[in-house]
Amino acid sequence: AQRVTQPEKLLSVFKGAPVELKCNYSYSGSPELFWYVQYSRQRLQLLLRHISRESIKGFTADLNKGETSFHLKKPFAQEEDSAMYYCALSRYGGATTKLIFGTGTLLAVQP
Amino acid sequence: NAGVTQTPKFRVLKTGQSMTLLCAQDMNHEYMYWYRQDPGMGLRLIHYSVGEGTTAKGEVPDGYNVSRLKKQNFLLGLESAAPSQTSVYFCASTSKGQFGEQYFGPGTRLTVT
Repeated sequence: AQRVTQPEKLLSVFKGAPVELKCNYSYSGSPELFWYVQYSRQRLQLLLRHISRESIKGFTADLNKGETSFHLKKPFAQEEDSAMYYCALSRYGGATTKLIFGTGTLLAVQP
Repeated sequence: NAGVTQTPKFRVLKTGQSMTLLCAQDMNHEYMYWYRQDPGMGLRLIHYSVGEGTTAKGEVPDGYNVSRLKKQNFLLGLESAAPSQTSVYFCASTSKGQFGEQYFGPGTRLTVT
């Protein structure tokens, strides 16, 4: 069964510290993975996707098929990074592509 | 360009009451989705639509019905609300080919007492 696991409900770091938000997945096939972010009182929005291999707001994520992981990393956390982060897996079925979300990790960056 | 909008923003219902949540998008997207967001559960897909006049069940469809009479609108109905349906409901849309990039609405916070 397809599944996305985010083991940490809350990750608290100090400003300037490195951040790693963990995401593991189970999927039989070639996965497409995404990170979505929800800032306080804002709507959920796409942060980055693995296929683009991009860096957004200093965040990067590398797909590791051997470890079935897609961890989100940032070398130096900023207070404005505080938000809820969701890892998501794209799955095709029923004539469309659906997203399977993890349970989310709340990142709190302390001053 | 408003993107994805949802009506209402907040609602309190009593058990057994009915209501309809409205989602509208002005991006001409073919695909639309309804999710619920619960603490510790992430986002779970309720129903989705691949085009005007078509709907399909998602992961947690029980107790909900949907309709997509117009391409830009996707309605979520609760015929007889239950406390277990207390949640934040999000609508999302995307176009063919964008797949993983879904555009979300601001959410509707529903409390059923």
